[in-house]
Amino acid sequence: NAGVMQNPRHLVRRRGQEARLRCSPMKGHSHVYWYRQLPEEGLKFMVYLQKENIIDESGMPKERFSAEFPKEGPSILRIQQVVRGDSAAYFCASSPGGAGELFFGEGSRLTVL
Amino acid sequence: GENVEQHPSTLSVQEGDSAVIKCTYSDSASNYFPWYKQELGKGPQLIIDIRSNVGEKKDQRIAVTLNKTAKHFSLHITETQPEDSAVYFCAAKMEYGNKLVFGAGTILRVKS
Repeated sequence: NAGVMQNPRHLVRRRGQEARLRCSPMKGHSHVYWYRQLPEEGLKFMVYLQKENIIDESGMPKERFSAEFPKEGPSILRIQQVVRGDSAAYFCASSPGGAGELFFGEGSRLTVL
Repeated sequence: GENVEQHPSTLSVQEGDSAVIKCTYSDSASNYFPWYKQELGKGPQLIIDIRSNVGEKKDQRIAVTLNKTAKHFSLHITETQPEDSAVYFCAAKMEYGNKLVFGAGTILRVKS
């Protein structure tokens, strides 16, 4: 029973490029969350999605960031025109429903040069 | 808005001693309180959780206590071992809405 799968694990981009991070939730999980972790800091909520719907995007920056969770395929966090401040670890978590327990992936580490 | 404060930010203990990490939360409607352990370069792993209808929960060397009146909860690790060294995060979840709000984390170092 595979856990939450994230790829790529490491991504290097130059300023102005686009970054796409993918997350496949655990089997049977239809709720996906994205969190950002800056070096030596805690996890900051970005967005919560269910299949084909964004439920809560209160933590997403208003510009350049978008997320989707299509009917088929993984959830994708997209960052356009990356800047150095976007360098961070991005974690995806999934849950089977709203009961509480979140299972995290190993993260995607974005470095912007 | 939701806020979770965690302390201490770093904690060093001798192997075999106990470690206690404390968190407070701001939203009285929060009803779920998990603790996560994060090792270097890895994702957070759930180690124990507690719901608001319970005051204490124990799993081997790990225990969590919850005081809803005071809006704080604590993680207790007894007989610490070097492999307990990691960053520990507390979190709280609102009754309405499904996101977890995390504390800033505690770096635990167990010295052998």
